[in-house]
Amino acid sequence: ETGVTQSPTHLIKTRGQQVTLRCSSQSGHNTVSWYQQALGQGPQFIFQYYREEENGRGNFPPRFSGLQFPNYSSELNVNALELDDSALYLCASSRTEGADTQYFGPGTRLTVL
Amino acid sequence: AQSVSQHNHHVILSEAASLELGCNYSYGGTVNLFWYVQYPGQHLQLLLKYFSGDPLVKGIKGFEAEFIKSKFSFNLRKPSVQWSDTAEYFCAVNAARGATNKLIFGTGTLLAVQP
Repeated sequence: ETGVTQSPTHLIKTRGQQVTLRCSSQSGHNTVSWYQQALGQGPQFIFQYYREEENGRGNFPPRFSGLQFPNYSSELNVNALELDDSALYLCASSRTEGADTQYFGPGTRLTVL
Repeated sequence: AQSVSQHNHHVILSEAASLELGCNYSYGGTVNLFWYVQYPGQHLQLLLKYFSGDPLVKGIKGFEAEFIKSKFSFNLRKPSVQWSDTAEYFCAVNAARGATNKLIFGTGTLLAVQP
């Protein structure tokens, strides 16, 4: 069974640029959630994708957007990067969109200069 | 507002000492509860979870947690820690009957076990 994978591992961008992060869900999982983990903090929910639609969103501005593909993989896009966007971005997959156990990938470390 | 509080930010123990990490939550409804662990250089892994039934749940590596509904608590315990338990521990909660699988995390507890 393949776990959750994310790419790239690390990324350095400058303020104002755009970035795309990618996630492949665990085998048999149809739901993907994205989290932002700032240094010294717990992960914060960004949004969830189920059946290729956004299915719930946390307190993040519209410049954070996403996609889910028919194979359940997902992308997180962030436009107009700000210094505070520097964080570890985690992807998690689960079998359903409701209350269920989420399994996390290794994360993408984004640094905005 | 929904929130999770972890009272201990840093804990330092010697090997064989007992461990208890506190977790309290604020949530207006029935919840599922989780403890995740992040070992150095590794990704978040599920340690244990509570959905329903026996409030004392056992997880991997000898960890257990007790759900006390009246205290809104889900404390993590281990009778005897090992050096390999050095990691960051996160308590999390989601709505048991929510339409969105949104996890709310605490800020984490960094555990250092000295050999």
